[in-house]
Amino acid sequence: EPEVTQTPSHQVTQMGQEVILRCVPISNHLYFYWYRQILGQKVEFLVSFYNNEISEKSEIFDDQFSVERPDGSNFTLKIRSTKLEDSAMYFCASRRGVDGEKLFFGSGTQLSVL
Amino acid sequence: AQKVTQAQTEISVVEKEDVTLDCVYETRDTTYYLFWYKQPPSGELVFLIRRNSFDEQNEISGRYSWNFQKSTSSFNFTITASQVVDSAVYFCALSSFNQAGTALIFGKGTTLSVSS
Repeated sequence: EPEVTQTPSHQVTQMGQEVILRCVPISNHLYFYWYRQILGQKVEFLVSFYNNEISEKSEIFDDQFSVERPDGSNFTLKIRSTKLEDSAMYFCASRRGVDGEKLFFGSGTQLSVL
Repeated sequence: AQKVTQAQTEISVVEKEDVTLDCVYETRDTTYYLFWYKQPPSGELVFLIRRNSFDEQNEISGRYSWNFQKSTSSFNFTITASQVVDSAVYFCALSSFNQAGTALIFGKGTTLSVSS
């Protein structure tokens, strides 16, 4: 089965630093998502992206966050100035776009902000 | 607003017991999709099932079965003859039908521990 690929699997950064989390969605998928999961908590929606623009975002996705699809294959999440509370597992997901189709999730990037 | 409630935070069972994980949802949409995902200790999210709001037929897949009841807004998941490998966090999720890009909204998850 095709896979969503995320790199790196673990990222450690200092508070205030910028981080970029990278994802390669499945090649024929059109809708892309970022979710995060703080340790022991639920999976929270951050943002969805379609046709080179954000289609939906949650309250969590403030000005510190941005997403980009720079080259037609990668899908990135940038956190401009990380805070301790940004420490979480970040999941990228994609789907082809048919209504109700399942999301394919990547294996996640564990971000630790020190 | 959409909401998914998984009231059971943690469940512990002994191998071979049957266990049911509850999921109750809220939505104003008349058409929507419900999902279950499994998150084993390794951390990835594994798709288990999708059900649309038009289809209230229960589904069985091996030891797994799902009971969708629109009247009570519930989509419960039963594991029959549980095994240690079933130990994981299980998430119920909901998405709207009307917009293909609409995100999944997850419940808080139920941690299932199966001991031998």
